[in-house]
Amino acid sequence: DQQVKQNSPSLSVQEGRISILNCDYTNSMFDYFLWYKKYPAEGPTFLISISSIKDKNEDGRFTVFLNKSAKHLSLHIVPSQPGDSAVYFCAAIDDKLIFGTGTRLQVFP
Amino acid sequence: GAVVSQHPSWVICKSGTSVKIECRSLDFQATTMFWYRQFPKQSLMLMATSNEGSKATYEQGVEKDKFLINHASLTLSTLTVTSAHPEDSSFYICSALTSTEPVTTEQYFGPGTRLTVT
Repeated sequence: DQQVKQNSPSLSVQEGRISILNCDYTNSMFDYFLWYKKYPAEGPTFLISISSIKDKNEDGRFTVFLNKSAKHLSLHIVPSQPGDSAVYFCAAIDDKLIFGTGTRLQVFP
Repeated sequence: GAVVSQHPSWVICKSGTSVKIECRSLDFQATTMFWYRQFPKQSLMLMATSNEGSKATYEQGVEKDKFLINHASLTLSTLTVTSAHPEDSSFYICSALTSTEPVTTEQYFGPGTRLTVT
């Protein structure tokens, strides 16, 4: 039972444009969400997080939006850069980190 | 930032043998470490939570006798895959908490270990 879902396995975006990665969850009790970036053969690195009491959190080029009624969050990257090419995982905190299945982002010149 | 290392980064072993993977927090003490497993194109799945000086807590469906976890010190946790089989081939990642809070954003991940069982 996948409680955190990323329905798009891949996304391709041109450099300079906006990348939007989506994540849906099923458990309304989740109160904290995170986004991680992962390169092949490496562990995930923390990008940005958001508490359920907020609907937006911004950090540089990265903005996370949370829509609690829809149980949906998204990560916006603007402008996208080739170095952003990686797999992005959203995660929710219950008593542990629960990861989504990941979305592979490719930013091309 | 906090650094977590894993050793080895890549290991190939024969079916039936055991493999030990080390996870170290290099510049902080970690009372809690987590072990994850990732299959290709799938999510990271938590296998177990390791607390220093006590028995690990395993997630449902994870065989504790097959995946032995030892958290002997505040900077080292080990995962031993016993009697490995090809289906155990996977990417194993550990993470460590820098605080005593249950689960926070201060969870730093190691670089992972790719296990291939032939």
